[in-house]
Amino acid sequence: NAGVMQNPRHLVRRRGQEARLRCSPMKGHSHVYWYRQLPEEGLKFMVYLQKENIIDESGMPKERFSAEFPKEGPSILRIQQVVRGDSAAYFCASSPGQRETQYFGPGTRLLVL
Amino acid sequence: TQLLEQSPQFLSIQEGENLTVYCNSSSVFSSLQWYRQEPGEGPVLLVTVVTGGEVKKLKRLTFQFGDARKDSSLHITAAQPGDTGLYLCAGPDHNTDKLIFGTGTRLQVFP
Repeated sequence: NAGVMQNPRHLVRRRGQEARLRCSPMKGHSHVYWYRQLPEEGLKFMVYLQKENIIDESGMPKERFSAEFPKEGPSILRIQQVVRGDSAAYFCASSPGQRETQYFGPGTRLLVL
Repeated sequence: TQLLEQSPQFLSIQEGENLTVYCNSSSVFSSLQWYRQEPGEGPVLLVTVVTGGEVKKLKRLTFQFGDARKDSSLHITAAQPGDTGLYLCAGPDHNTDKLIFGTGTRLQVFP
């Protein structure tokens, strides 16, 4: 059973470009969470989605960031007009249901030049 | 606001030594989880503790959940270089499904 998959593992963007991060949950999991980790810090929640629905986006910056989890395909975290402060590791986790164990992917490390 | 504070922040020890990492909060959590994260990888779940006072053992690792469910500890016996990594505690938010992560403890075990 494949784990949570994220791609790309590393992404380099120049200021002002767009970054798209993809997350394929574990088989059978319909709940996806995105977290951000700044260097030498713990993980901070960004957004929680179920298929086609955003359940909680309280941790997501109001501008430039968006997330989706379509009926078919991976969940996408999109960052428009990236700035240097967006440089971080972005982790996706999935779970089979509410209040169940979350399993993490390997992360995407975004570097904004 | 629920917060989880971990101590120590950094720990460097020699192989064979014992150590304890603490995770503390002023809030009650329904459960707490411990993860280990290695450089360039995502957090890997080690254990979930649910009941106040619960003790769980995973080989040389012993996890305890405080009686009041506000704190937890991780004790490693006879540490090995393979134990090196970032240890994170995490608990579910009261009202949502999001996880609140602790500040992390970075452990380095030297041979």
